[in-house]
Amino acid sequence: EAGVAQSPRYKIIEKRQSVAFWCNPISGHATLYWYQQILGQGPKLLIQFQNNGVVDDSQLPKDRFSAERLKGVDSTLKIQPAKLEDSAVYLCASSTNGNTEAFFGQGTRLTVV
Amino acid sequence: GEDVEQSLFLSVREGDSSVINCTYTDSSSTYLYWYKQEPGAGLQLLTYIFSNMDMKQDQRLTVLLNKKDKHLSLRIADTQTGDSAIYFCAESAGKLIFGQGTTLQVKP
Repeated sequence: EAGVAQSPRYKIIEKRQSVAFWCNPISGHATLYWYQQILGQGPKLLIQFQNNGVVDDSQLPKDRFSAERLKGVDSTLKIQPAKLEDSAVYLCASSTNGNTEAFFGQGTRLTVV
Repeated sequence: GEDVEQSLFLSVREGDSSVINCTYTDSSSTYLYWYKQEPGAGLQLLTYIFSNMDMKQDQRLTVLLNKKDKHLSLRIADTQTGDSAIYFCAESAGKLIFGQGTTLQVKP
């Protein structure tokens, strides 16, 4: 069974630039999560989708971050404009529903300079 | 709101048992999870326990759940150097919330 795929693996951008991350969840998984993991901290939930609807985006900085999950499969997370404090690993995860185990991708390491 | 707390660091000798502790706040959590993260890698699910269980054993791993105190622990028997990693506990009540992670250092 294929796992959660994310791209790119690494990205370096200057502050105020834009960046987008892509996630392809495990086939058939209705729930998709985006997490931000700053070095030395636990993953922080940014947004949770159930199919193509948003379940929770209470910790998403909506002035600069946006996410979509068109057709309830793939998802993109965008940051525009980026700030230095956005430097982190962005993890995508999926599960069959919001209460079952979540499988994680390898993450995208973003460095904002 | 949801909150998950863990101690930050644990150091043990190879062959000893390791016990990593976690407290959570959401009493409606249906599952509680332990994830492992090695340097530069993603999160790997180690084990989980359903909220109506007190204990779950899986080879060298034992999970204990005290639902009254909202306390979860992970015991690793015969700890090996390959167990060195960051361990995250997570609660699930419709969404998955992580603690800040416990760094386990295993000395040869």
